[in-house]
Amino acid sequence: KQEVTQIPAALSVPEGENLVLNCSFTDSAIYNLQWFRQDPGKGLTSLLLIQSSQREQTSGRLNASLDKSSGRSTLYIAASQPGDSATYLCAVRPSNTGNQFYFGTGTSLTVIP
Amino acid sequence: SAVISQKPSRDICQRGTSLTIQCQVDSQVTMMFWYRQQPGQSLTLIATANQGSEATYESGFVIDKFPISRPNLTFSTLTVSNMSPEDSSIYLCSADRGNEAFFGQGTRLTVV
Repeated sequence: KQEVTQIPAALSVPEGENLVLNCSFTDSAIYNLQWFRQDPGKGLTSLLLIQSSQREQTSGRLNASLDKSSGRSTLYIAASQPGDSATYLCAVRPSNTGNQFYFGTGTSLTVIP
Repeated sequence: SAVISQKPSRDICQRGTSLTIQCQVDSQVTMMFWYRQQPGQSLTLIATANQGSEATYESGFVIDKFPISRPNLTFSTLTVSNMSPEDSSIYLCSADRGNEAFFGQGTRLTVV
């Protein structure tokens, strides 16, 4: 069974800093990986989707990379803002079990003004 | 991106009662998914709902406790039955558009 781990569990940075969130997974046979943002008590907002054949995806200040062979993905946030404060979740879709996602435990980010 | 409307957004329920959560997708989708997020934890898949057939439940979840309906390709409901305080969680529905997953706003359930 796929295990997804996110480090750190919590992160606090001053506004304007660049930061990196890490996600690791145990089985490299994945279909795709998706990064989400979750505000307290709310649903998930999709940030970036990386297919297994891709190395990275970018959207605005966000850049996600994927290294399948090492079982790692990173989410890079440039010039962080207080509005970026949220929990960030990575989710892996295995290639051999239909459409189920396996979620990491998340990184809680606080950007201090 | 797909739009998924989920309601209610939150509810406080008495133990022993049932709550039905609704999800409406803005376009037809083959599968819809129901997740539970217990306090301080990540998401766990409850079941996959296909239109016209019974939902497929994950280990640890049963139809009697979490009955699901999928009457058409844009709508699904999840009922949390005979609730206990341990059912207090956020419940989320999800659907795919292409290869990308989208989620509803979540239902924050508190059982007292």
